[in-house]
Amino acid sequence: GAVVSQHPSRVICKSGTSVKIECRSLDFQATTMFWYRQFPKKSLMLMATSNEGSKATYEQGVEKDKFLINHASLTLSTLTVTSAHPEDSSFYICSATTTGHSGNTIYFGEGSWLTVV
Amino acid sequence: AQTVTQSQPEMSVQEAETVTLSCTYDTSESDYYLFWYKQPPSRQMILVIRQEAYKQQNATENRFSVNFQKAAKSFSLKISDSQLGDAAMYFCAYRSVVFGNEKLTFGTGTRLTIIP
Repeated sequence: GAVVSQHPSRVICKSGTSVKIECRSLDFQATTMFWYRQFPKKSLMLMATSNEGSKATYEQGVEKDKFLINHASLTLSTLTVTSAHPEDSSFYICSATTTGHSGNTIYFGEGSWLTVV
Repeated sequence: AQTVTQSQPEMSVQEAETVTLSCTYDTSESDYYLFWYKQPPSRQMILVIRQEAYKQQNATENRFSVNFQKAAKSFSLKISDSQLGDAAMYFCAYRSVVFGNEKLTFGTGTRLTIIP
């Protein structure tokens, strides 16, 4: 069964509103979570890395004020797309792992389709 | 920064035949992990196989095996006895062992089609 759950799987929101996507580790403590964005027929682009209890580290070119990431507990990270616009429509995937041992498996969520109308 | 290159945007193979997907990478690190992930139409990322750079032996998982050439920085995936369920996007990925830099860096992917 899935060890990382992402919710919602699909969401449609109006332009200008904010939408939150949750990523939960179900049976392990995820000290690190990663958020990716995937455009159609493209690869996964890392947006940010979040460590529990600290601020997320954003990749170059990713607007931290637009894509708010919170990792308040060892089992939950959230991505909030603020003031969403149609160009934010995409597939967003989270992944989770336990730091301190790079051999630890990285588990992926099922992904979330965001459509901004 | 590490980079991963997949030079084959699309590949096709006859069912039951063998296909090899190519991947090269660039890094200055001596120890790292390499992965192949499968992404079917559902978009779920599925780990196919992984290789530790310090291991000389090529990883194998049932019908999937890799050819890891560390000096050449090459990491190809061989799928034997291809099945219809193997049709998917395949991504090669690199992961550093440096603490705090354990993100996955993906290649651009190869779309594999299985011909019945």
